[in-house]
Amino acid sequence: EAQVTQNPRYLITVTGKKLTVTCSQNMNHEYMSWYRQDPGLGLRQIYYSMNVEVTDKGDVPEGYKVSRKEKRNFPLILESPSPNQTSLYFCASSTRQGSREQYFGPGTRLTVT
Amino acid sequence: QQQVKQSPQSLIVQKGGISIINCAYENTAFDYFPWYQQFPGKGPALLIAIRPDVSEKKEGRFTISFNKSAKQFSLHIMDSQPGDSATYFCAAAYAGGTSYGKLTFGQGTILTVHP
Repeated sequence: EAQVTQNPRYLITVTGKKLTVTCSQNMNHEYMSWYRQDPGLGLRQIYYSMNVEVTDKGDVPEGYKVSRKEKRNFPLILESPSPNQTSLYFCASSTRQGSREQYFGPGTRLTVT
Repeated sequence: QQQVKQSPQSLIVQKGGISIINCAYENTAFDYFPWYQQFPGKGPALLIAIRPDVSEKKEGRFTISFNKSAKQFSLHIMDSQPGDSATYFCAAAYAGGTSYGKLTFGQGTILTVHP
């Protein structure tokens, strides 16, 4: 089954404790990105990757890091989480040819206290 | 700066009625306008999309109307069903360079269809 998976689905942590949210896709997609969803703001792009070893900032990159060492994986790293990073996070992937449909993962709900 | 503005924030419709959600955009470089549907606890999923060279696209009960001169587009759900109750997001994107694939989303509309 073609899918984007994220782990963990739920995470409660404390300010300053480094964490990583993993994202993996099995569709051989070149393009991957991370979004955060906040009430009244929709989804906003954090970082994206056009292909392996190619990453760039989206609209709200502050406080986040990413890496793309393999085509299928695109982890999101919060080196020192703060309460304003409490949000619902989605990973998405798409191909660069043909359809521009983006496939979203199930989401990770993060709470930083 | 919100480049895609969506309204209303919430919408309540009776079963069988028509649901209408509107979006307006600012960037004339946008060339792809999808609508995503999100159920509670799930990620958004593509519902229907349109490019600016057509004024309307219909797929089943879902229709996108596009007005390029007004920089507006809307989603119409005909014969709305309780199973359509979800959050709907409009979005816009353009294919150029490093912006490929980036979706700029509207704020979302929570649709509730009463039986």
